[in-house]
Order: sequence, then structure tokens, then C-alpha cells
Amino acid sequence: DIVMTQSPRSLSVTPGEPASISCRASQSLLHRNGDHYFDWYVQKPGQSPQLLFYLGSNRASGVPDRFSGSGSGTYFTLQIRRVEAEDVGVYYCMQSLETPLTFGQGTRLEIK
Amino acid sequence: VQLQESGPGLVKPLGTLSLTCGVSGDSITNTKWWSWVRLSPGKGLEWIGEVSNSGSTNYNSPLKSRVSISLDRSMNQFSLRLTSVTAADTAVYYCARGNGWGGSSDWFDPWGQGTRITVSS
Repeated sequence: DIVMTQSPRSLSVTPGEPASISCRASQSLLHRNGDHYFDWYVQKPGQSPQLLFYLGSNRASGVPDRFSGSGSGTYFTLQIRRVEAEDVGVYYCMQSLETPLTFGQGTRLEIK
Repeated sequence: VQLQESGPGLVKPLGTLSLTCGVSGDSITNTKWWSWVRLSPGKGLEWIGEVSNSGSTNYNSPLKSRVSISLDRSMNQFSLRLTSVTAADTAVYYCARGNGWGGSSDWFDPWGQGTRITVSS
């Protein structure tokens, strides 16, 4: 199975400051078609997980442009340019290159 | 598109967990994949498996001997069946639409609201 490792496990950020979460895969997520089979999700308090980015850096509908996803091969990063209170939640990465689909352990974002 | 899980809430050890996911705003015969994912304190998010619009399935290996996912085209819903449950199966269970064009889901959007399942006597 492909193991997904996120860091940090938690972070506390002042509103208006940037935040960054990384995710490392145990093997390259680059498909022969040129896409990276990698997604980001966030689970806000009291809600179900929701899609942020798919196939690497494709922003999902409705996701503010202060969020950006980047990376390649085995290393990926989610960046929030200026954190807002509504960004509180647990962020997960996921690989979909092969089954079983696997998730990172999650990163809890709190607001200072 | 909206997904809504329904289930018993409490299941006895060694019993069978049965969940249904009702789909509105999309046809389960159009979209390629329909998945189940669970969230537990000990394991985080765990992909359980998925069923395609043609009825083929993919399952997570540790659960493969106990899990079955199927379509109900007449009701536009899909179901999860997990046998011989233990306390380790206590979790919030989510259904999700799997997007993409390959042999399994490439990303999940949207997700249902989730249903909490407790395994206890």
C-alpha cells in the first residue's frame, strides 16, 4: 500500500498569516498520463470532508484562491496565503494512483 | 448533488452492518464510481471500497473478506454490507461520489454527511 505522511500534525496560525502543510508519499504518484493522482481534503468542525484539490493542483469549485496546491513525484504542499477563521479544520491528503486509496493522518489547523 | 447515508447507529459484535447511501442530483448509472470511507479515532480516514456504475467493485484488502458494496439502480442508491463486526469497526461512515475515468476513483466529491456507527453489545 502507498503510505501518505503529513506534517505537521497540527499547527496554530494567526489570522492573516500564511500556513503550509506537506504530504509525502511512499512512492511517486505520477501516472504515465502525466497527472499526479493526489488530492487534498478538509474536514471542518461538524462537517464531512470536502474536496480542495484534485489530481495535484486542480482547485475544486468554490475553493478560495488563497489556497494553492503544488508538488510532484512524492512530495506535495498545501499553502494558505492568508489564514482566515473559517479555515479551521483537519486537512487530509490522499493518493488515488492505485488501490487501496490511502489518506494521510491529517493535520489539524487551529486559529490563534 | 447530494448523498445521504442511512443506517442503524448501533450494531452488536459479530453482527452485520448495513448502510445505504441515497443519491440525488445525479444518477448512479451515469457516474463511474461510488465509494465508502470511514473515519475512526485510531485509524483516521480509511477507504473501504467502491462500486462502479456497471457493478464492478474494488475493496480495501483488510476488509475484503467481510465487505460487500452494491448498487440499487431502481432506488438510485448504493449500499455497504460489513459482516462479523467488532469494536474496531466503530467509526463515522461516509459515502462519496468517486470522480475520474480510470479503474478506480480519482477523487471524492461530494461526500455524504456521515453516519456514526457504534459496535457494542
